[in-house]
Amino acid sequence: DVVMTQSPLYLPVTLGQPASISCRSGQSLVHSDGNTYLNWFHQRPGQSPRRLIYKLSKRDSGVPDRFSGSGSGTDFTLRISRVEAEDVGVYYCMQATLWPPITFGQGTRLDIK
Amino acid sequence: EVQLVESGGGLVQPGGSLRLSCAASGFTFSVYAMNWVRQAPEKGLEWVSGITENGNKTYYADSVKGRFTISRENSKNMLFLQLNSLRAEDTAIYYCADSTWHNWGQGTLVTVSS
Repeated sequence: DVVMTQSPLYLPVTLGQPASISCRSGQSLVHSDGNTYLNWFHQRPGQSPRRLIYKLSKRDSGVPDRFSGSGSGTDFTLRISRVEAEDVGVYYCMQATLWPPITFGQGTRLDIK
Repeated sequence: EVQLVESGGGLVQPGGSLRLSCAASGFTFSVYAMNWVRQAPEKGLEWVSGITENGNKTYYADSVKGRFTISRENSKNMLFLQLNSLRAEDTAIYYCADSTWHNWGQGTLVTVSS
């Protein structure tokens, strides 16, 4: 199974400041078709997860452009250029390159300082 | 508008069974593989099971293999998860999600307790 390790697990951020979440996989997530099936999700309390980023760096429709995904191989990053109040919640990375099983990171809780 | 609506959760005793359903609408259900993901209270996301578009292949997490069965009925746009031999550690919100991972339901709560 591909282990996904996120850091930090807790991220207090001042409004308007940038934030960065790291996700590392135990194996390369580059698929034989050339794509990297690495997704990022945001989950607010009491809500279902919402996909923000797919295939490493493609932003979902309706996702603000302050969110960006990057990385390669086994190291991935979700960046928020300027944190807003609505960004609080838990962020998860997920790999769908080497499955089954699909695997998620432990989650990173983002709060406002 | 794409909608996935789960139902069938509830309180069940250890060793008991439940059948979860996921009703899909707003998209061509039969061309998408589907998944179940669960989230224990105050915990992270755990993939549980997946099924191919026509239902001829199914996949399970080791934690549920042999106890849970995923199935689908494309004529009715329905996804199912049969949960048998339930344990306390199966207590969670169960979500269905399509294979794009863009669309998720609101979840249904399964509580296993005596």
